[in-house]
Amino acid sequence: AQSVTQLGSHVSVSEGALVLLRCNYSSSVPPYLFWYVQYPNQGLQLLLKYTSAATLVKGINGFEAEFKKSETSFHLTKPSAHMSDAAEYFCAVSFSGGYNKLIFGAGTRLAVHP
Amino acid sequence: NAGVTQTPKFRILKIGQSMTLQCTQDMNHNYMYWYRQDPGMGLKLIYYSVGAGITDKGEVPNGYNVSRSTTEDFPLRLELAAPSQTSVYFCASIDGNQPQHFGDGTRLSIL
Repeated sequence: AQSVTQLGSHVSVSEGALVLLRCNYSSSVPPYLFWYVQYPNQGLQLLLKYTSAATLVKGINGFEAEFKKSETSFHLTKPSAHMSDAAEYFCAVSFSGGYNKLIFGAGTRLAVHP
Repeated sequence: NAGVTQTPKFRILKIGQSMTLQCTQDMNHNYMYWYRQDPGMGLKLIYYSVGAGITDKGEVPNGYNVSRSTTEDFPLRLELAAPSQTSVYFCASIDGNQPQHFGDGTRLSIL
């Protein structure tokens, strides 16, 4: 069965530090991969997506993620954290022929401190 | 162009009551979805629809029903509310291979 695992339910970084949020997936077929961000009391906003083109994907707000098939990973990074990056981040997968249904990880809450 | 609109934004129900969560999209998307979000568990798919008149169960459909009489609307109904259905509900829609557009959610408490 397909699944998504996000390592670390809470991550705390200093402003200006590297942000690394981990995502691993389990799948027997090639996935489409997504990172979404959720600010308090809001819906989900797409940060970036991987759909089998370039393995390094650049998204909004300076975030990027690299698809590594051998590691079944799609970790999200940002070189320098801003206070405004504090939010909850979700990794999700979908599959061709799966009616675009998303399977989500449990989420990682990112805190950024001065 | 309002995107995906969910109403109400907040609601408190008593156990055993029924209600309908409304979802409307103005993007002419064929695919629509209902998810619930519980703390520490991400989002789980309740039901989805690939077009008017076509619906199917997701991962956690028990206690819910849906209908899709038009392309625009995809209401979610709770017939007998239970405390386990306290959650935040999100509706989403998609067209082709584009990412899903999410509404702002409905926060439902059942007491």
